[in-house]
Amino acid sequence: DAMVIQNPRYQVTQFGKPVTLSCSQTLNHNVMYWYQQKSSQAPKLLFHYYDKDFNNEADTPDNFQSRRPNTSFCFLDIRSPGLGDAAMYLCATSRETLSGYTFGSGTRLTVV
Amino acid sequence: RKEVEQDPGPFNVPEGATVAFNCTYSNSASQSFFWYRQDCRKEPKLLMSVYSSGNEDGRFTAQLNRASQYISLLIRDSKLSDSATYLCVPLTDSWGKLQFGAGTQVVVTP
Repeated sequence: DAMVIQNPRYQVTQFGKPVTLSCSQTLNHNVMYWYQQKSSQAPKLLFHYYDKDFNNEADTPDNFQSRRPNTSFCFLDIRSPGLGDAAMYLCATSRETLSGYTFGSGTRLTVV
Repeated sequence: RKEVEQDPGPFNVPEGATVAFNCTYSNSASQSFFWYRQDCRKEPKLLMSVYSSGNEDGRFTAQLNRASQYISLLIRDSKLSDSATYLCVPLTDSWGKLQFGAGTQVVVTP
């Protein structure tokens, strides 16, 4: 019954090798978010989509890109992962009138 | 000053005891607040929403002090399963962008 699904749960990638993380939702929420969370730190917003409108946080590195081909899917692309990009990546969704986020189970990225 | 500040803890709590901790926020325009709990290496899950002065849900009580810009969470009759990190989240944007605190770790011991 998972409503926000992230794949894969664990991803190992090589330094500098592009990697894509995926998120899908069955909630028909119009807003989708990508957060990065490092150990013992707060989740940090990278960007969000309000419907098809893309919004980048000012301090999100250019190395990170996102795509939302339709309401249900959203992708996070890391063009050239560095060791510092190792983290948990969380996808979340919400309705226009906020009642809190629904998170996916996250993808834990390891860069070797 | 950080937008959201929380005591990282850990708060070590005997099973059955009461624990309370605060979260301070800098944006006085924040109208709504959320408490999320996050288990180790898992995603945050919504615990409680606060839209007015406070909220109570079973053993959990949230109290909002707008004058001093903090929100507290109190857990009564602590269970072992309450061990987690509790993230404070003020709603700072009209469409729902959430700014997370780094969380307060609670460890309930037998």
